[in-house]
Amino acid sequence: GQQVMQIPQYQHVQEGEDFTTYCNSSTTLSNIQWYKQRPGGHPVFLIQLVKSGEVKKQKRLTFQFGEAKKNSSLHITATQTTDVGTYFCIQGGGADGLTFGKGTHLIIQP
Amino acid sequence: DVKVTQSSRYLVKRTGEKVFLECVQDMDHENMFWYRQDPGLGLRLIYFSYDVKMKEKGDIPEGYSVSREKKERFSLILESASTNQTSMYLCASSRRTGLAGYNEQFFGPGTRLTVL
Repeated sequence: GQQVMQIPQYQHVQEGEDFTTYCNSSTTLSNIQWYKQRPGGHPVFLIQLVKSGEVKKQKRLTFQFGEAKKNSSLHITATQTTDVGTYFCIQGGGADGLTFGKGTHLIIQP
Repeated sequence: DVKVTQSSRYLVKRTGEKVFLECVQDMDHENMFWYRQDPGLGLRLIYFSYDVKMKEKGDIPEGYSVSREKKERFSLILESASTNQTSMYLCASSRRTGLAGYNEQFFGPGTRLTVL
């Protein structure tokens, strides 16, 4: 079945720096969802992307879905300590069911 | 405020015991899911259910079974717990799958199960 590769696994940044995580697939994705999980917490839904080339913004977060619908990215501008956590993607559509990125752990140094 | 609740935050069991993990959602969602989460492996789907009494195997169903007798409740059963089932177990629910695929999932707080 489909696999979604997520990179990097860990990312250390200084507070104020930008951060990007990527989810890549060898096959076309039906949709992609992004979630955030704070340390000790449970995953919380951030956004869903469905259309080719789609770009959505939530304050300092920018989500993109590739033109070929094979990759997606989450970019955070000027990270803050509240951004700490694990960000992961879920692909969920059609006969391929659900596939998951393993997550990117964002560590922020003040 | 939507809510998914799980019966325990922490649970310690012995090898060979039968273990029940309960999940309840108050959003009238059709879909419910059970995952386990392990360091370095991410989320892995054990089972999901898209309606009462319906169930589908996920990626790692071996050693687990599920029960969905009521729409709001989805139970995960470890028939004979083993040490390799020590993990964080997360339940989630979502509205019925639409044309664009699965809808956003709402997760419970998780149950950290330790099998000794």
